[in-house]
Amino acid sequence: GAVVSQHPSRVICKSGTSVKIECRSLDFQATTMFWYRQFPKQSLMLMATSNEGSKATYEQGVEKDKFLINHASLTLSTLTVTSAHPEDSSFYICSARNPQEGNTEAFFGQGTRLTVV
Amino acid sequence: GEDVEQSLFLSVREGDSSVINCTYTDSSSTYLYWYKQEPGAGLQLLTYIFSNMDMKQDQRLTVLLNKKDKHLSLRIADTQTGDSAIYFCAEGPGGYNKLIFGAGTRLAVHP
Repeated sequence: GAVVSQHPSRVICKSGTSVKIECRSLDFQATTMFWYRQFPKQSLMLMATSNEGSKATYEQGVEKDKFLINHASLTLSTLTVTSAHPEDSSFYICSARNPQEGNTEAFFGQGTRLTVV
Repeated sequence: GEDVEQSLFLSVREGDSSVINCTYTDSSSTYLYWYKQEPGAGLQLLTYIFSNMDMKQDQRLTVLLNKKDKHLSLRIADTQTGDSAIYFCAEGPGGYNKLIFGAGTRLAVHP
């Protein structure tokens, strides 16, 4: 089946620095990828929809200047958390659908646990 | 707006059946999904059902959909300790569209 790979799986950074998270579709091309954030013991909240070759669509309340999304190719989307603060510590997960499989199944990356100290 | 609700916790004895329930509000949902998340890991799709179906069975998993009541359930037969995880119900229209997730049900399997 289709695979979505996320990197890194875990990152610790200092307050004020920026962190980049990569999401790759390994065996299919994804024109659209989704970035979710998950707080402890809570559900996944969609942050933004990443569109290849165009600007991302952000959900209400998500700061686009803080969470920069770049979908530069059909297999890679990146999320950069800029000027990270401890409240940005969370589990970030990306997903993509395989158009060859009718876009029915959303494949998820393994997630990135960000800790800002 | 769109909303998906699940009970937060379920405890079962090993070998028994588990039933995890979910309700949703968006009647236009085309697909309904069940995902499994183990500690510190991403989401693994277990199964999904198209909205014009009322049941789908896949080995130990049975999904029941009551579209009238907007109720979805996941039954796990012969529950094992390896089934302990958080199970998320999600709904979506399919295509390049986002999924709406429930809060997740934590399944604990005890001997």
